Amino acid sequence: DAKTTQPPSMDCAEGRAANLPCNHSTISGNEYVYWYRQIHSQGPQYIIHGLKNNETNEMASLIITEDRKSSTLILPHATLRDTAVYYCIVRGVSGSARQLTFGSGTQLTVLP
Amino acid sequence: EPEVTQTPSHQVTQMGQEVILRCVPISNHLYFYWYRQILGQKVEFLVSFYNNEISEKSEIFDDQFSVERPDGSNFTLKIRSTKLEDSAMYFCASRATHYEQYFGPGTRLTVT
Repeated sequence: DAKTTQPPSMDCAEGRAANLPCNHSTISGNEYVYWYRQIHSQGPQYIIHGLKNNETNEMASLIITEDRKSSTLILPHATLRDTAVYYCIVRGVSGSARQLTFGSGTQLTVLP
Repeated sequence: EPEVTQTPSHQVTQMGQEVILRCVPISNHLYFYWYRQILGQKVEFLVSFYNNEISEKSEIFDDQFSVERPDGSNFTLKIRSTKLEDSAMYFCASRATHYEQYFGPGTRLTVT
């Protein structure tokens, strides 16, 4: 699985959009980009994933660059409850039981 | 919304004792995982399980560890002889045929 690079920490004002970047310059054509978050030692929570098109769900939007070497997770209106560590994970789909490899992630702090 | 559950939420045990951590995955899921997170460190993969057998395991998952799906609903992690360094949060996860894994709330294991 390709390696990812994320900033260790970011702040965001409550109500504003939080834009979390991720670099994955060695991503290969069949690898997906996943985003999870972990709120203070709770179990990681799935947010969104994508291959090459931009994706949106009720939690967030995922913007993947055309060359797929980077992506941005967007929380459109951050709340205090969005304070968490956000993990960007690249994973191939081959191998039916492939595990997730977590890095250090980005600690997002939403400020009142 | 269906969710992964884990029991107990906190387990305290003495070094050398056996512990069993229990998980109830989401009912129609087919792939099951255990991860652990030592305090302040990354989430680490331990083992994946599919079709009643281990699919992959990490080097952490040595002979002291075993997994079982005894009755078609529970998924257990057994540590035969606990060590101090086994103290961690243990997360169970499950997945259907889609790619996202859903995590339980975790069991905090404290080995004294």
